[in-house]
Amino acid sequence: ETGVTQSPTHLIKTRGQQVTLRCSSQSGHNTVSWYQQALGQGPQFIFQYYREEENGRGNFPPRFSGLQFPNYSSELNVNALELDDSALYLCASSEDPISYEQYFGPGTRLTVT
Amino acid sequence: SQQGEEDPQALSIQEGENATMNCSYKTSINNLQWYRQNSGRGLVHLILIRSNEREKHSGRLRVTLDTSKKSSSLLITASRAADTASYFCATDDLRVDDKIIFGKGTRLHILP
Repeated sequence: ETGVTQSPTHLIKTRGQQVTLRCSSQSGHNTVSWYQQALGQGPQFIFQYYREEENGRGNFPPRFSGLQFPNYSSELNVNALELDDSALYLCASSEDPISYEQYFGPGTRLTVT
Repeated sequence: SQQGEEDPQALSIQEGENATMNCSYKTSINNLQWYRQNSGRGLVHLILIRSNEREKHSGRLRVTLDTSKKSSSLLITASRAADTASYFCATDDLRVDDKIIFGKGTRLHILP
C-alpha cells in the first residue's frame, strides 16, 4: 500500500457532463501529479500541483483542471466530457517536484457513454 | 505523446524462467524508472537508474541503461506467478517541464 487513496473507484458519466475525481496524497507529500491511462496504453501526464499551484501541464485541453488543498488532498475536474475521456485516472504523490519517485493511488475508472 | 517504447508488447514465460523487457526512448534524460501495474490498478515503483549509472540491482530485478543507444532493459530472474503484470519504463522529459513520461508497457504473463 502506498498510502495514496482515490475516490470513487468507478464512475459512469454521460457525454457533456462534468466530473470531479479526488485523491488523498501520502502524508508529508506536497506534490501531486495526475495521469490519464487509456486501455492498453501507458499513463499520460495531465498536470502536476505543488503547494496548491499548477506546476507543469501535459498536452491536455483547459477543460481538464485541478485543485490541491493544504490537507494533502487534490481534485481533478473534467468539463464537457467526451467519449475519449474514458480511461483510468491515476494520481501520484511525491515529496517534492524534483523527486522522481512517485507513489500512485489505485486509480478511478471513468466511463463516458 | 509517448517517450519510451517497451519491447516486446507482450511476453509469456514459464515460472522460474527469466524475463527480459526492453525500453527505448527519444531524448536525453536525467534518469529512467521502471514501474509495475497489476490488472489496471495503480503503479508500483520498482527501480530508478540515473543517467550516469549503467546497471542497478534490486532483489530479483536487474536494470541496465545505455544512454548512447537510448535504451534500457529490465531483467526479472526466477520469475513467479506474482510477477504477472504490466511493466512500464518512465523517463523525465524536458519538453514537459521535466515531468515523467511513460511508455506503453510490456504485458508479462507467467505460466504455471
